[in-house]
Amino acid sequence: SQELEQSPQSLIVQEGKNLTINCTSSKTLYGLYWYKQKYGEGLIFLMMLQKGGEEKSHEKITAKLDEKKQQSSLHITASQPSHAGIYLCGATRQLTFGSGTQLTVLP
Amino acid sequence: DAGVIQSPRHEVTEMGQEVTLRCKPISGHNSLFWYRQTMMRGLELLIYFNNNVPIDDSGMPEDRFSAKMPNASFSTLKIQPSEPRDSAVYFCASSLATSQTLSGGTQYFGPGTRLTVL
Repeated sequence: SQELEQSPQSLIVQEGKNLTINCTSSKTLYGLYWYKQKYGEGLIFLMMLQKGGEEKSHEKITAKLDEKKQQSSLHITASQPSHAGIYLCGATRQLTFGSGTQLTVLP
Repeated sequence: DAGVIQSPRHEVTEMGQEVTLRCKPISGHNSLFWYRQTMMRGLELLIYFNNNVPIDDSGMPEDRFSAKMPNASFSTLKIQPSEPRDSAVYFCASSLATSQTLSGGTQYFGPGTRLTVL
């Protein structure tokens, strides 16, 4: 089965700082989702990557899938308290998810 | 569109009781997914349907769990009998998948049902 490992497990940053979350797959990815979840709520879709080397951005969040399609990074520029939450990566075909990265942004 | 609708939002029951969780997917979506989320195991796929047909139920823990999708606008996840270890948040998601990747497409999640089995 395909496993996704996220790092770090938790992250605390000061508002305005940049940060990166990584997602590493045990097998080649056909595609990868990034979702954000607030505690006690459902998952909110951020973006989906399907091609090696693909990079997508939405507002201050950028995600990239490496050429080998086994690793993805999610980068937040100039973080804000509204970015706080749990970020999850998920494999699109196998439908397995990483354990999540808990992000706290201090005002 | 109202998004994916799940009911109830919270359910507290006693061990041994039957529990039924309900989901209404986004209109026009052809794939529906049931997930379970716990602190210990994270988010796990239980089963997914495409055009109302179960495609992959390998994630269903055991025979106590069953899921149905009688039509394109409704699905249920039933646990009978329930056990304390079933306590979790259960999410339903739907997507518009192509014939090439039945599990593909952007998944839109419902708010979840928080189940507590005493």
